Amino acid sequence: ETGVTQTPRHLVMGMTNKKSLKCEQHLGHNAMYWYKQSAKKPLELMFVYNFKEQTENNSVPSRFSPECPNSSHLFLHLHTLQPEDSALYLCASSQGQGRDTEAFFGQGTRLTVV
Amino acid sequence: DAKTTQPPSMDCAEGRAANLPCNHSTISGNEYVYWYRQIHSQGPQYIIHGLKNNETNEMASLIITEDRKSSTLILPHATLRDTAVYYCIVRVAGSARQLTFGSGTQLTVLP
Repeated sequence: ETGVTQTPRHLVMGMTNKKSLKCEQHLGHNAMYWYKQSAKKPLELMFVYNFKEQTENNSVPSRFSPECPNSSHLFLHLHTLQPEDSALYLCASSQGQGRDTEAFFGQGTRLTVV
Repeated sequence: DAKTTQPPSMDCAEGRAANLPCNHSTISGNEYVYWYRQIHSQGPQYIIHGLKNNETNEMASLIITEDRKSSTLILPHATLRDTAVYYCIVRVAGSARQLTFGSGTQLTVLP
């Protein structure tokens, strides 16, 4: 248990569906991250939020839409995904600006697009 | 952030020490060395980090060379549950910088 909780753990969705991934942390951290990990590939950073403001968007397609309503919650809204978007989606948090601390990861959501 | 180089895979006998090397020859003075591991299909787990001094915690030891261009993660008594991909990352301190993961080293602990 890392203090970062992701739901759901598994998700199967059709290409026309809309779904959301949720991440919650109770560590008092100010920075939260979404990563994507496709099969046999390194983790790819998608988005970074610091104090609820998006500070990084690594050229992620608009079918992925993040939302950070407060420092403890992070969402990833999904719509009209493609089969190649099937991957493990990981959320992480860290203390953020001005502090050097480790990042804690959730267990991920295994997404399958059919 | 500086790039790192790690061997793609290593084997280690159960109960023996696992020594995982990492080269980071372009590391700058304000960059820390971090180690994470990822057991299959789980989220990465923080192991240890350091700036220039050797560090030890309940999981591992981190040895950083004097010129800081390389480091070694040591798991003193490897168990089967230590089988994972181990990532060495260098990262600037003092900002909300993302962790940039490379391909890591697949450590397989053999019975």
